[in-house]
Amino acid sequence: AQKVTQTQTSISVMEKTTVTMDCVYETQDSSYFLFWYKQTASGEIVFLIRQDSYKKENATVGHYSLNFQKPKSSIGLIITATQIEDSAVYFCAMREGNNNNAPRFGAGTKLTVKP
Amino acid sequence: GGIITQTPKFLIGQEGQKLTLKCQQNFNHDTMYWYRQDSGKGLRLIYYSITENDLQKGDLSEGYDASREKKSSFSLTVTSAQKNEMAVFLCASSTGLGGRDEQYFGPGTRLTVL
Repeated sequence: AQKVTQTQTSISVMEKTTVTMDCVYETQDSSYFLFWYKQTASGEIVFLIRQDSYKKENATVGHYSLNFQKPKSSIGLIITATQIEDSAVYFCAMREGNNNNAPRFGAGTKLTVKP
Repeated sequence: GGIITQTPKFLIGQEGQKLTLKCQQNFNHDTMYWYRQDSGKGLRLIYYSITENDLQKGDLSEGYDASREKKSSFSLTVTSAQKNEMAVFLCASSTGLGGRDEQYFGPGTRLTVL
């Protein structure tokens, strides 16, 4: 069974710094997809970035990038040059590659960016 | 672009009551999902549907029923509301079960059981 774990409950950083949020996952599948989502204070959830398990290169979108360490079953989210509006809860999710699965989510990490 | 609409926005029920939550999407997505989010917690999968009239149980399906009668809509029923239950129910959709497709989420229905 697939499982996603985010151990950091909350993180606080100063604006314009870099932050890394951790996520580890468990799966028996050789093919899987890893996602990060952001939930704002209003409750809105938006997709940020994805890593395909078969790709060695770390995904990057804007000021979000991933640190994919496959041997450690780890997918960290890195936010560079943080802004106040990055304050939110960040969820890691995994979907196994076979066709009858749905994504499972971690518990989330609350990020606070201070001015 | 598209949008996911969830109704009602707020739902207050009594213990033991049967309650129905509705979700509509105009993305023309094949797959739809229901997740439950308890305060300060992650999202737990209740049900999902690969296509019209399909239903797949998630990790938290006990106590819930679901219905996907049209491609654009997915309903969730709480079969017997539990006293003091409070949670947000989130509906999502994606293009299919290709695996790499991201999900789009609705604004949620906030449930309170008195």
